[in-house]
Amino acid sequence: RKEVEQDPGPFNVPEGATVAFNCTYSNSASQSFFWYRQDCRKEPKLLMSVYSSGNEDGRFTAQLNRASQYISLLIRDSKLSDSATYLCVVNPEGTYKYIFGTGTRLKVLA
Amino acid sequence: GAVVSQHPSRVICKSGTSVKIECRSLDFQATTMFWYRQFPKQSLMLMATSNEGSKATYEQGVEKDKFLINHASLTLSTLTVTSAHPEDSSFYICSAGTGSNYGYTFGSGTRLTVV
Repeated sequence: RKEVEQDPGPFNVPEGATVAFNCTYSNSASQSFFWYRQDCRKEPKLLMSVYSSGNEDGRFTAQLNRASQYISLLIRDSKLSDSATYLCVVNPEGTYKYIFGTGTRLKVLA
Repeated sequence: GAVVSQHPSRVICKSGTSVKIECRSLDFQATTMFWYRQFPKQSLMLMATSNEGSKATYEQGVEKDKFLINHASLTLSTLTVTSAHPEDSSFYICSAGTGSNYGYTFGSGTRLTVV
């Protein structure tokens, strides 16, 4: 089983739609979780950290479910500019390492 | 916020030659930097952790004699791909940060093509 798993997609959604991605992780002791966004042939950029209580930043909402070992990202009112690959990142407890998922590709269509 | 500069952004080299990639933290000191490699349509894979003033820590399967890492100062780490081969062609990205709870910032990446 992979340490971090994501559905690669692509998710093709119309503008204005709401879309959600899930990511599962295998290490139950993981402490830090993030969503990064990566545009084609570019470096990843931090979208948001994921806190135990869940957190929201504008149209983006991230949630953590420790019992089921998954994190989610919800995007509301999708924009064309949201088209990108969204990477789930997990930082296992006691390490400095980032474990990346393969990413979920989103295409927002006009 | 933390800014990480990576250079060059793109390089094409001949098989058998060496290529050096630089990673600099511009507005903070980074005792630790990370080097990743990403092949097309695959996730970022950690190659090694660069520690200022000491030897790098390599991930399993990464040849330390082929991928030389030097972290001579708190703001600069270099990755040298020695005797490059076409299979080394990839996107190499460094990252650094002020702490894992805030996420690490990535350099803009270096696209290496070995011909």
